[in-house]
Amino acid sequence: DAGITQSPRHKVTETGTPVTLRCHQTENHRYMYWYRQDPGHGLRLIHYSYGVKDTDKGEVSDGYSVSRSKTEDFLLTLESATSSQTSVYFCAISDRGDRSEQYFGPGTRLTVT
Amino acid sequence: AQRVTQPEKLLSVFKGAPVELKCNYSYSGSPELFWYVQYSRQRLQLLLRHISRESIKGFTADLNKGETSFHLKKPFAQEEDSAMYYCALYTGRRALTFGSGTRLQVQP
Repeated sequence: DAGITQSPRHKVTETGTPVTLRCHQTENHRYMYWYRQDPGHGLRLIHYSYGVKDTDKGEVSDGYSVSRSKTEDFLLTLESATSSQTSVYFCAISDRGDRSEQYFGPGTRLTVT
Repeated sequence: AQRVTQPEKLLSVFKGAPVELKCNYSYSGSPELFWYVQYSRQRLQLLLRHISRESIKGFTADLNKGETSFHLKKPFAQEEDSAMYYCALYTGRRALTFGSGTRLQVQP
């Protein structure tokens, strides 16, 4: 597996609380992505980053923010978690961000009660 | 807008039978398509990309621009092929658009 870790791996939180998920890579890849995986929807892009401090929105960015202050870390924050954000979250990295392969992390299962 | 459609949520076949996982796309530009696979308890990983025109683990996929399809095929399914398969489209915004996935179940 590419050097990608996600923390925490599992989290249960209450509606209205802030939550931060972390993606850490040791590959020095420039591009990093956050997806959510839901039955019937596959993977949907939340946000991505094309460099330190450079981020852009994906398909389902409402309710999420991201930050990337270092090449190796990409944080996803739910400012006020809602039940609709219960999902499995995947981080991915890519060295060129175009047609190159994306490498995925192990995922974080988030439950918002 | 770009879209990837995988019409089958579940495809169940017997070992040794041919497999075809369907993928259709809509995109106004020149498409770049991929198949990703997620085996049980493993990470999502690239299976193949159309531009490479390669066969991986016996799977092939041909881009048909006329039918806007990129179906994944294998002549003889094996039990170890059981997994979740995602078709993905590169849309030129440094990211991929994924289909909803098809679970392939290969029965003995």
